[in-house]
Amino acid sequence: RKEVEQDPGPFNVPEGATVAFNCTYSNSASQSFFWYRQDCRKEPKLLMSVYSSGNEDGRFTAQLNRASQYISLLIRDSKLSDSATYLCVVNRRGAAGNKLTFGGGTRVLVKP
Amino acid sequence: AAGVIQSPRHLIKEKRETATLKCYPIPRHDTVYWYQQGPGQDPQFLISFYEKMQSDKGSIPDRFSAQQFSDYHSELNMSSLELGDSALYFCASSSQASNQPQHFGDGTRLSIL
Repeated sequence: RKEVEQDPGPFNVPEGATVAFNCTYSNSASQSFFWYRQDCRKEPKLLMSVYSSGNEDGRFTAQLNRASQYISLLIRDSKLSDSATYLCVVNRRGAAGNKLTFGGGTRVLVKP
Repeated sequence: AAGVIQSPRHLIKEKRETATLKCYPIPRHDTVYWYQQGPGQDPQFLISFYEKMQSDKGSIPDRFSAQQFSDYHSELNMSSLELGDSALYFCASSSQASNQPQHFGDGTRLSIL
């Protein structure tokens, strides 16, 4: 079982609709969590950090559930430009420093 | 703001050749990470350096080596290249002072013929 798992999708979303997807992690020592966005053949770009109390950034809302060990991302009023792969990233800080573990990514396709 | 700079952007090599990828972290970032991303795959962690010392090691083949220099830039050296080494290679940097996320460079696309 992978340490960080995501539904690969694709999630086909009508423009203007809401889409949400989760990411589960297995290591309870994980300390911080992020959503990155990756467009085809481009580098991962930080979308948002995920805080315990949940946080919102415009149309994007992230939630963390430590008890069940999952994080979620919700996108409201989807735009065509939201089409991308969304990578769930879990950070664990050890003696060697920070170590990021990536989920396999969830592909989102927003269609007119 | 300055970002992570990687060079070259594209590299074409033949089997059994060697390649060197370079990474210049964001100023004042003390940690550099290398990732390999194959087609349709998520980024796989290879190796990281903190203050010029190797800090963690992932799925880096023995044919690869890396180091971080006194100016904090890092180089990934790849020898005896194989077809399966064709991938995007990303470098990321961060500051160990906090749990702040890593910032990625644009990547080097390596193609092995």
